[in-house]
Amino acid sequence: QQQVKQSPQSLIVQKGGIPIINCAYENTAFDYFPWYQQFPGKGPALLIAIRPDVSEKKEGRFTISFNKSAKQFSLHIMDSQPGDSATYFCAVAGGTSYGKLTFGQGTILTVHP
Amino acid sequence: NAGVTQTPKFRVLKTGQSMTLLCAQDMNHEYMYWYRQDPGMGLRLIHYSVGEGTTAKGEVPDGYNVSRLKKQNFLLGLESAAPSQTSVYFCASSSRPDGAGVSNEQFFGPGTRLTVL
Repeated sequence: QQQVKQSPQSLIVQKGGIPIINCAYENTAFDYFPWYQQFPGKGPALLIAIRPDVSEKKEGRFTISFNKSAKQFSLHIMDSQPGDSATYFCAVAGGTSYGKLTFGQGTILTVHP
Repeated sequence: NAGVTQTPKFRVLKTGQSMTLLCAQDMNHEYMYWYRQDPGMGLRLIHYSVGEGTTAKGEVPDGYNVSRLKKQNFLLGLESAAPSQTSVYFCASSSRPDGAGVSNEQFFGPGTRLTVL
């Protein structure tokens, strides 16, 4: 059973576009919703994270929108740049899970110049 | 600070061979994790540890063993490698969740690319 479903699998945008990546989860006990960014040959790195007590969080050009009732959250990248080309993973954690993350399947983002 | 380091970076094994992957962190983190990454499947948790001398199973533990003899090190062992274990392996660490039990950031190592022939 997939606890986290991420879409789309891949995404191509032009420089300046606003790619949006979506994640849906099942378990209402989750209380931590991070997005990780991974460049080829590197380990994932935390990009931005949100708790369920807010509906939106913005850090620079990256924004998470969170819909608790729909059990969905999404990543928006404003004014995307070629350097944003990477794989993005959503994840969930919570309850007594000892910080264990359950990841989505990943989205390969390509930003053309 | 080196953060999270992993050795080796690459390894090729034959079916049935054994090996140990080493993860080290210098951030004094209590929690450590081993994940495997396969195309289209994200990262899946193999085993994790919440402190020195403790280990627990994750989502896909079969065929792997782990040990946490020192707080800064977390070892992943493959006793009899199989082609299905061909993957990229990532180690991560994090501090203990805060008083409210809310998770903290996980810091990942650079990965080990393992091929089993």
